[in-house]
Amino acid sequence: DVKVTQSSRYLVKRTGEKVFLECVQDMDHENMFWYRQDPGLGLRLIYFSYDVKMKEKGDIPEGYSVSREKKERFSLILESASTNQTSMYLCASSRWQGAETQYFGPGTRLLVL
Amino acid sequence: AQKITQTQPGMFVQEKEAVTLDCTYDTSDQSYGLFWYKQPSSGEMIFLIYQGSYDEQNATEGRYSLNFQKARKSANLVISASQLGDSAMYFCAMREGPGTYKYIFGTGTRLKVLA
Repeated sequence: DVKVTQSSRYLVKRTGEKVFLECVQDMDHENMFWYRQDPGLGLRLIYFSYDVKMKEKGDIPEGYSVSREKKERFSLILESASTNQTSMYLCASSRWQGAETQYFGPGTRLLVL
Repeated sequence: AQKITQTQPGMFVQEKEAVTLDCTYDTSDQSYGLFWYKQPSSGEMIFLIYQGSYDEQNATEGRYSLNFQKARKSANLVISASQLGDSAMYFCAMREGPGTYKYIFGTGTRLKVLA
């Protein structure tokens, strides 16, 4: 069974704080992704990574950065949290080849006050 | 530009009946994949079913089937014998080409199964 875990299910932070969201997958997947999900907007890609230390910007990278030092771990960083970053954050992973089905973690609901 | 459209924001279905959730897509690629995910209130996105653009037969996974009409660019999800546990948000998604990492998601359909 593919397992994608995220460090927190719920998180409350204050404006201006640095926030780390961590994601770990145990299936040796090459690709990892960070999305945010807002009502009526579906899922929007923030960043993805196709290999260790490799990253590509998604559709909404502003205000975020990422880190992938190990294949199994992909971190999303909010350098200075703002209230408009209150959202649901979903991490996903997939293989490089084949059907490339994405498997998701349970999500982190972040509230920035 | 590539796009996924789900026109039904919400749907109701009676328990044990079948329901179809609509999805249309737009792409200029010949090679692409289509996916359906279920998101219960807990928030986790659960993969349901996959259809490749070159697959000649419609995909099926248990009570889920994908009604793939390539010429119409539609990939509707059919859930047979609905159960109360099927109540959730359902997302259609697409990945273009073998060398693309990006997935495009629709805005989702909220399904409520009635007892």
